[in-house]
Amino acid sequence: DTEVTQTPKHLVMGMTNKKSLKCEQHMGHRAMYWYKQKAKKPPELMFVYSYEKLSINESVPSRFSPECPNSSLLNLHLHALQPEDSALYLCASSQERTRMGNTIYFGEGSWLTVV
Amino acid sequence: GIQVEQSPPDLILQEGANSTLRCNFSDSVNNLQWFHQNPWGQLINLFYIPSGTKQNGRLSATTVATERYSLLYISSSQTTDSGVYFCAAQPYSGAGSYQLTFGKGTKLSVIP
Repeated sequence: DTEVTQTPKHLVMGMTNKKSLKCEQHMGHRAMYWYKQKAKKPPELMFVYSYEKLSINESVPSRFSPECPNSSLLNLHLHALQPEDSALYLCASSQERTRMGNTIYFGEGSWLTVV
Repeated sequence: GIQVEQSPPDLILQEGANSTLRCNFSDSVNNLQWFHQNPWGQLINLFYIPSGTKQNGRLSATTVATERYSLLYISSSQTTDSGVYFCAAQPYSGAGSYQLTFGKGTKLSVIP
């Protein structure tokens, strides 16, 4: 069983809707990540939080807005999305974000469909 | 940034067969992980293996860091092994040195 929990597992939203994806981990990890994965492609990094501060934004459009309320929670707020934003959104965490590397653990993902 | 290449892109096996998946990376790495993505989308950690050899049941992995490649061995394959296997690497320095870069994956289909 994954120790990174994502909700909802499936989300269908219109292009004018506002919705949020949620992620929670209780492993005491201090680095949390959002990845986006399109069909038949590898995951692509979107955002990285380290000690609750945004440390990487991989040039993601502003219609995606991340939030880290505390060290266990990570949200991704969605607004005015386009159909091409439909994808699997994966949350992940690791002990720290360091050059030495740590095992990264993924949640089960949230399947997003924009109509 | 680091380049991560996986081969083969697709693999079909009869149940019970063995297989070897390969991952080549272009720079020295601090972190290398193998993942299995099941048909429901979940990415499952298989190995954290920047160097050396590890085994877990029917799976084992070897990373030869000096030659910049890693191998994942699957023995006595089962239908539940089907899915996509990703290799992901974090370079020792330079662009992207604080995060994992994924290869394109190997899609494995195990048929009964």
